Amino acid sequence: DAKTTQPTSMDCAEGRAANLPCNHSTISGNEYVYWYRQIHSQGPQYIIHGLKNNETNEMASLIITEDRKSSTLILPHATLRDTAVYYCIVRVQTTGTASKLTFGTGTRLQVTL
Amino acid sequence: EAGVAQSPRYKIIEKRQSVAFWCNPISGHATLYWYQQILGQGPKLLIQFQNNGVVDDSQLPKDRFSAERLKGVDSTLKIQPAKLEDSAVYLCASSFTGGAEKLFFGSGTQLSVL
Repeated sequence: DAKTTQPTSMDCAEGRAANLPCNHSTISGNEYVYWYRQIHSQGPQYIIHGLKNNETNEMASLIITEDRKSSTLILPHATLRDTAVYYCIVRVQTTGTASKLTFGTGTRLQVTL
Repeated sequence: EAGVAQSPRYKIIEKRQSVAFWCNPISGHATLYWYQQILGQGPKLLIQFQNNGVVDDSQLPKDRFSAERLKGVDSTLKIQPAKLEDSAVYLCASSFTGGAEKLFFGSGTQLSVL
């Protein structure tokens, strides 16, 4: 299984962009990169995922390096409500159409005034 | 769209007692997951169902944990007997299929074993 490495914690000022890095140097060619976040006392929430190309949705942007060994999640204008633990996950394909998401310990993002 | 429903929200039991958690996934979602999240750690997959069949239960402690998904909809996770180290949040998630798509999580059941 491809492993991911994330910083334990990060701070970001409200209104600024939050850039959360993730290393996944052993990723295979058919493995996707997923990002989830978990706000206190809630279940994880899907943010975005990608394979090779950069992706953008209403929540965030995902930048994947050309060699796919690392990626960055960008929250363009962080707010206090973005304070959460952010998980970078490489999706492992298991049997048939089943896929397995293995969570690490993530990055604790603290957005401050 | 209604989310993943879990109950109870909190449960306190003594060690060696039994406990059961219930999950109702999003309507139409074929895949259901149970995760265990110990304080300070990321969620760990316990079991994955595709409809009412088990796809992956490799990390389920089968000597004390059991799970079922009757009729491919609701699911229950049971622990019998509970140990102190089972204290955790038990999260249920569902997805439309098991493929390359997002999981929807419930708010979890926080279990404290005394």
